[in-house]
Amino acid sequence: QQPVQSPQAVILREGEDAVINCSSSKALYSVHWYRQKHGEAPVFLMILLKGGEQKGHEKISASFNEKKQQSSLYLTASQLSYSGTYFCGTSRPHTGNQFYFGTGTSLTVIP
Amino acid sequence: GAGVSQSPSNKVTEKGKDVELRCDPISGHTALYWYRQSLGQGLEFLIYFQGNSAPDKSGLPSDRFSAERTGGSVSTLTIQRTQQEDSAVYLCASSLAGGLAGGRGYEQYFGPGTRLTVT
Repeated sequence: QQPVQSPQAVILREGEDAVINCSSSKALYSVHWYRQKHGEAPVFLMILLKGGEQKGHEKISASFNEKKQQSSLYLTASQLSYSGTYFCGTSRPHTGNQFYFGTGTSLTVIP
Repeated sequence: GAGVSQSPSNKVTEKGKDVELRCDPISGHTALYWYRQSLGQGLEFLIYFQGNSAPDKSGLPSDRFSAERTGGSVSTLTIQRTQQEDSAVYLCASSLAGGLAGGRGYEQYFGPGTRLTVT
């Protein structure tokens, strides 16, 4: 039931771009994105609600395609501080208040 | 302002003992979540509280796990007769609002977690 993220891991050089995908086999109501640095708690990045919605946060943006039950996180001109594990999180209709986090994507930015 | 706090930060216990983990959410946040994160893994939903409503316990892995939230604020997660597979980091998160609606106010703020080790 957990959303599946791809890729599992990615290594970038500073300044490069990356895309992280989050796919669900079930209908989605909303998608959250969080970043977790090693040994720390997850930190909220953004929420997307509507099909096709795109939001941005600094040089990080995301899209949500309701029909495809997918969301993508776009990181442009990556910085060293972007390193961490990225999780999507979803809520779904008819499942009460359960919140499902994705499998996670480890992102490492090197100089 | 103060963020979400959790105590203890670390807990080592012997198999079969009971443990209590505490979470203090951000003041004014009505929704509170508990998650479990095993080493190198994702976050597993355990339980959700919204105000004074009955909690959503659908994620609790067994009847050894229980949680309560007193006065719509502080929450305690109790694990009875701990097993080695209970070893994990237990994370608490709060949000201004909760449920499906989403949008501003539904973002979750996490505490630093409690690392539980069952020997």
